[in-house]
Amino acid sequence: DADVTQTPRNRITKTGKRIMLECSQTKGHDRMYWYRQDPGLGLRLIYYSFDVKDINKGEISDGYSVSRQAQAKFSLSLESAIPNQTALYFCATSDLLDQHNEQFFGPGTRLTVL
Amino acid sequence: GIQVEQSPPDLILQEGANSTLRCNFSDSVNNLQWFHQNPWGQLINLFYIPSGTKQNGRLSATTVATERYSLLYISSSQTTDSGVYFCAVMGNQGGKLIFGQGTELSVKP
Repeated sequence: DADVTQTPRNRITKTGKRIMLECSQTKGHDRMYWYRQDPGLGLRLIYYSFDVKDINKGEISDGYSVSRQAQAKFSLSLESAIPNQTALYFCATSDLLDQHNEQFFGPGTRLTVL
Repeated sequence: GIQVEQSPPDLILQEGANSTLRCNFSDSVNNLQWFHQNPWGQLINLFYIPSGTKQNGRLSATTVATERYSLLYISSSQTTDSGVYFCAVMGNQGGKLIFGQGTELSVKP
């Protein structure tokens, strides 16, 4: 969805480096999410935020941190990257006023940790 | 938590054929979405369908919430339909989408 953008789209880094993945959205949604996808699997939730002052851990938050800088921006950081964090990372958004919480996904960031 | 099972895991079709993908879930849901992940990894929203039936061109979907399943129909398949199809649900407590393992579709010319 062009309304949700992620940078970078691809990144190769080395073990121990700090990495930040950024997500921006122009949909005006309050809720934002970070998911991770490993080969052959569905997506799993890392962190989510229902507004600027709200941060919640998902099912696989260890080794990650997030920052909600503004309503439109939600960043994911790997403080010290390790090879098993090699994955495809997706940001998503949803509207607080949508009782069914339909989520819209960005194009993904492919991260390789050597 | 809610379990999501998709079937079949893999499907190979000849161009022009029809197919049905199934998603079973283990509890009541507030949200159900179907996605297509193309060969470049992009996740494309197909349907938001917690109940009922929707159609969009050659694709349609039906969710029978009381029986805890959803079906995605692809008619007159094209090679560009290839990729992985995911079903994802959210329970009534809200929060996260829970994804199935996906159905990998390959459409041969």
